[in-house]
Amino acid sequence: DQQVKQNSPSLSVQEGRISILNCDYTNSMFDYFLWYKKYPAEGPTFLISISSIKDKNEDGRFTVFLNKSAKHLSLHIVPSQPGDSAVYFCAASARYGGSQGNLIFGKGTKLSVKP
Amino acid sequence: GAVVSQHPSRVICKSGTSVKIECRSLDFQATTMFWYRQFPKKSLMLMATSNEGSKATYEQGVEKDKFLINHASLTLSTLTVTSAHPEDSSFYICSARKGQSADSDTQYFGPGTRLTVL
Repeated sequence: DQQVKQNSPSLSVQEGRISILNCDYTNSMFDYFLWYKKYPAEGPTFLISISSIKDKNEDGRFTVFLNKSAKHLSLHIVPSQPGDSAVYFCAASARYGGSQGNLIFGKGTKLSVKP
Repeated sequence: GAVVSQHPSRVICKSGTSVKIECRSLDFQATTMFWYRQFPKKSLMLMATSNEGSKATYEQGVEKDKFLINHASLTLSTLTVTSAHPEDSSFYICSARKGQSADSDTQYFGPGTRLTVL
């Protein structure tokens, strides 16, 4: 049972346009969500996070939106740059759910930003 | 900052040998460290969670006798793959969390170790 789903395995965007990466979750106990960026043969790099008490968090070109009723979050990158090309992982944790706050990852979305 | 290093970055070994991978938090103390494995074109699979000074908690299906984890200090955790076989070839990634409190759930990842077992 996949608790965190990234239904789009890949996304292609033109440089300068907006990239929107989507993530859905099923566990209502999740209360903390993160996005990581990963290049091949490297470890994931933390990008941005959001707590369930918020519906939006912004950091530079990156904005994460959370819709708790729909159990959906999205990462917006604007403007997109070729260096943003990577695999983006959505992750969630249930901080008070007795799971040690372990992260549950989606399968990732490969973003390609074309010049 | 929150920098996590791993050593070695790449290792090739013969079947039957043991390999040790180190994970260090360079600029913070990590009460909890995690070990993941990534198969090609797959997501990160959590193998085990280790808290400093206590035994690691292994995920279902992960052999604790094969993947030995030691978290002897607040900045170092080691994963030893014992009696490695070709099917153990994979990309192993560690992460570290700054604290055990619910407010410090962000995990910072190391660069990963590519293990190839011949």
